[in-house]
Amino acid sequence: DAGITQSPRHKVTETGTPVTLRCHQTENHRYMYWYRQDPGHGLRLIHYSYGVKDTDKGEVSDGYSVSRSKTEDFLLTLESATSSQTSVYFCAISESSLSGNTIYFGEGSWLTVV
Amino acid sequence: GENVEQHPSTLSVQEGDSAVIKCTYSDSASNYFPWYKQELGKRPQLIIDIRSNVGEKKDQRIAVTLNKTAKHFSLHITETQPEDSAVYFCAASKGSNYKLTFGKGTLLTVNP
Repeated sequence: DAGITQSPRHKVTETGTPVTLRCHQTENHRYMYWYRQDPGHGLRLIHYSYGVKDTDKGEVSDGYSVSRSKTEDFLLTLESATSSQTSVYFCAISESSLSGNTIYFGEGSWLTVV
Repeated sequence: GENVEQHPSTLSVQEGDSAVIKCTYSDSASNYFPWYKQELGKRPQLIIDIRSNVGEKKDQRIAVTLNKTAKHFSLHITETQPEDSAVYFCAASKGSNYKLTFGKGTLLTVNP
């Protein structure tokens, strides 16, 4: 499982409330990613990080912010949740090898905004 | 940005038959092409990947082919089994940050 832990795994929240999802990894990987998965859209990149305090936007970053104050933790924050942010959120890491990098996913966080 | 299209969106085969899923990409600079299998309620799991310096890669019943000129790559599953039933996603990325752009997925059903 590449040592990735997501929390919470399931959450129901109300529109307008802030929500933070946490991704924790134990293997000191440099690159970490947040994707969302919605029916008919596959997986889409929200934000990614290439080191402590180094982050950049993906294709669907509006309404989301991220932080990475430690190598092992990558936080995704919805400042004011909306119903359109109801989704499954997957954290991923990039694992280096001699042949190149490989992306592995965490178990997912199911978020429902009511 | 990169655009990845995947076909078909659904595929039904009989156990023992072969299954082929095709993807095209738009950015000629893309150089890494993984395939993921996702069962209902689970995480995407990497099943095979190919980099742009090779044209084909096999792992037991699974193979991937890459045509850089035409900008398409395909997943081939032989001797399908009911446990191969899942959603399969192709993806593409370029450069050192490995930001993946995914296709929309193919629901494969293997009928016993």
